Parts: sequence; C-alpha cells; structure tokens
Amino acid sequence: SAVISQKPSRDICQRGTSLTIQCQVDSQVTMMFWYRQQPGQSLTLIATANQGSEATYESGFVIDKFPISRPNLTFSTLTVSNMSPEDSSIYLCSVVQVYGYTFGSGTRLTVV
Amino acid sequence: SQQGEEDPQALSIQEGENATMNCSYKTSINNLQWYRQNSGRGLVHLILIRSNEREKHSGRLRVTLDTSKKSSSLLITASRAADTASYFCATDGRGGGSNYKLTFGKGTLLTVNP
Repeated sequence: SAVISQKPSRDICQRGTSLTIQCQVDSQVTMMFWYRQQPGQSLTLIATANQGSEATYESGFVIDKFPISRPNLTFSTLTVSNMSPEDSSIYLCSVVQVYGYTFGSGTRLTVV
Repeated sequence: SQQGEEDPQALSIQEGENATMNCSYKTSINNLQWYRQNSGRGLVHLILIRSNEREKHSGRLRVTLDTSKKSSSLLITASRAADTASYFCATDGRGGGSNYKLTFGKGTLLTVNP
C-alpha cells in the first residue's frame, strides 16, 4: 500500500495566522482526501483533491478557509487560513488505491 | 445524517477478555471498514468487509456485516493492553462520484486494563 509522509506532525499557532499542511505520497494516486478530526470526535471529510482540477469541498467547508493545492499526482497541501481556536483539530490526508485507503499520520493543530 | 454510528462510545475490559464494538449505518454501501487510532494519531486500516460478505477474520479480529440491518460488529478476541485505542467504522458510498468518500462513525474508545 502507499506510504504517506505528512508534515508537520503538530504545531501551535497564533489566531489569525495560517498553516499549510503537506502530504507526500510514495506513488501516484488520482484522489487524495483531507479530513478534520475535532477533539474527541470522529473524522469529517473536508474536501477531495484531484490533480488537474479544483478541489471538491464538502458542506460546511469553503475554499477561502481551507485552500487546497494538488500540483501533481504525489503531493497535496491543505492550508488552514485565518485560524481561530475552533480550528484546533487533527488534520489527516488520505489516498485510495486499488487495495484500499491509506492515511497520513496526522497534523495536530492547536490554535491559541 | 450521520453514517456509521458506533456503540458503545467507550469500553473498558481486562486483558484476555473479548471486546465487541458495533456500528450502524444508514445508506447503501460498497464496503465497510474498521480502523484503529492510537492517541489521536493516524488511522491504521484493520479490515474491510464487502457488502456481499457476511463475516471476515483477520488474526484476532472478526468482523460481521448484516446489510439487512445496516450494521456491523468488530470482535477482538483475547485482548491485550496494546489493543487500547479508538476504533472507527467507515463506509464508502455506492454509485456516482461519491464512491470513494469515507464516512466515519463516532468511534469506540477501548481501554484494555493489564
């Protein structure tokens, strides 16, 4: 299965700033996904990142707040913009291939 | 509406006992998967059961799927302290462009006491 390198693993950020999270996959994948996991909660899909087209956002998530880049088939970034304490969560990327889904190790974000 | 609701939300057992977690979902699925998460880190895929399967085994794990009741169960036998983690079920859609989007349940926090 694919191996995903997700960076940073954690960060503490000031409110009003932005953080960009990166995911690098060791093989080419068509679809990448970004999830948010709020404290004590389950995972919620933010958007699907497709190479060569704009990301598709789920209800409740907008591009201005969570811009996504997908410059090639092995890399994607998620930016959390103009952060507030409510954005404190774990953010995970994921890919799907023939044999199933693989998740990055997550980015634990704390906004103070 | 929420897809993949687990129960119980928390389960505490002694080492050596079996742990059973249940998951219910609301819409048609291609498959149902179970994942494990240690201390809020990344998810580890445990097992996938397809909609046309009723039971699947992997080591100490046993998963059942009842599509008529839209429910699944995960059984961990002979539990170990290292099994302490959160367990999530996840389903993907059937048909259309949403096929590959996973919808996660709320999860069960399993604590195995030594």
